[in-house]
Order: sequence, then C-alpha cells, then structure tokens
Amino acid sequence: EVQLVESGGGLVQPGGSLRLSCAASGFTFSSYSMNWVRQAPGKGLEWVSYISSSSSTIYYADSVKGRFTISRDNAKNSLYLQMNSLRDEDTAVYYCARDPGSSSYRFDPWGQGTLVTVSS
Amino acid sequence: SYELTQPLSVSVALGQTARITCGGNNIGSKNVHWYQQKPGQAPVLVIYRDSNRPSGIPERFSGSNSGNTATLTISRAQAGDEADYYCQVWDSSTNYVFGTGTKVTVL
Repeated sequence: EVQLVESGGGLVQPGGSLRLSCAASGFTFSSYSMNWVRQAPGKGLEWVSYISSSSSTIYYADSVKGRFTISRDNAKNSLYLQMNSLRDEDTAVYYCARDPGSSSYRFDPWGQGTLVTVSS
Repeated sequence: SYELTQPLSVSVALGQTARITCGGNNIGSKNVHWYQQKPGQAPVLVIYRDSNRPSGIPERFSGSNSGNTATLTISRAQAGDEADYYCQVWDSSTNYVFGTGTKVTVL
C-alpha cells in the first residue's frame, strides 16, 4: 500500500524555523516527483513546492520562495521541507503528495498532513 | 497568474445530480484534476485529466472540460459525497493552481 507520513509540525514563533519530513513507503520513492501542499485553517489548498525524482528540478510558490527549501533523500525514502523566516500566514496543515507519474502534474496520494502553527 | 474560480457551495438532493464548475481562461486547453476532501481528512483524487477516474472511485463521478469551464458531475448523490471539492491544473507561469473550492451539501 502506498503510504506517505508527514512529521515535524508544531508551534514556532514568527521568524523561526521548522523542518518537515515525509516518510514514503509502498512504492519506489526514487522514481517519483514529490510535492508539498498546504492548507490554512478553514481555507483552500495552496501548492508550496515541487521536486523531481532526481532533485534536478525544483519549483516554489512565490509566497515561499527564498524562505523554504525542498529536498529529498532517496536512500531514506524521505522528503523534506526546511522552512525559515516563518510568518503568521504560514500557519497551515502541510501535506506531502506524490506526482503519480511522468510529470502528470497532479497529486496522488496525499499524506495525512502535519500542522504548523506560527504564533508568538 | 492563472486563476480558477469555483462556486462557494452546491446543494443537491439525495439521489440527484450535482454539477461543480471550475472556471479559468481557456481551461479547455489544460488537463484538469479534481479532489474530494472530507472534514479532517486529506484530499483524494477523484478525477484526473478532465474525465478519468482513478481505481476505486465510483462511476458516479465524472468530468468534462471545454472552453472556459471544467465540470465535475456527481450522479445519484449520496450522503457520503458531502465534502469540499477542488479543481487543479498546471500552468507554465504559475505552476500548480487550485480552484477556490466548493462545498457540496447533500439534502
């Protein structure tokens, strides 16, 4: 069974940093592009970042560019999101999601999410 | 930047048909994907590339895309279909774009 499990969320002060992780299982992680998508409380979905299977291609949403860094470790079947200079508006549930193949530009499946709260 | 517009809410009687629209400039030229999100849960892909259903998704879910509007259709609506629904496309200038989301209520 394909499974994605996020971790690393929590409460952080504005200006602080946090590193999210996503552990993948049930598929050949190194063959798939991955994404982070977030959802602020009571709001819609917002794509955050994309990384190709070999890490050769990376994209960021304008709202996080220069502050967030996506990375992966294919040997550990893990995806990461390093978040620096956090702002109140970064408060959200963060989901990791797989691109199901051949740069299909969609998300399937999703992890259960991890909540990041930025507050003083 | 590319934007997708959905109605805030759609209501449908039990057993009837719900149609959720997703509006965007020339969206018919793009591949549209649809996600269902129930309260407290992660989104689930229900339609990909305009009209294709992933395995495990009931045939009651269907999609179409033409011109400036894509549509997700839920036939014979059930109580379990109550959820938020989001459309999504990839755009070369904006990368991934989600629609504003539609809350479906089954009466």
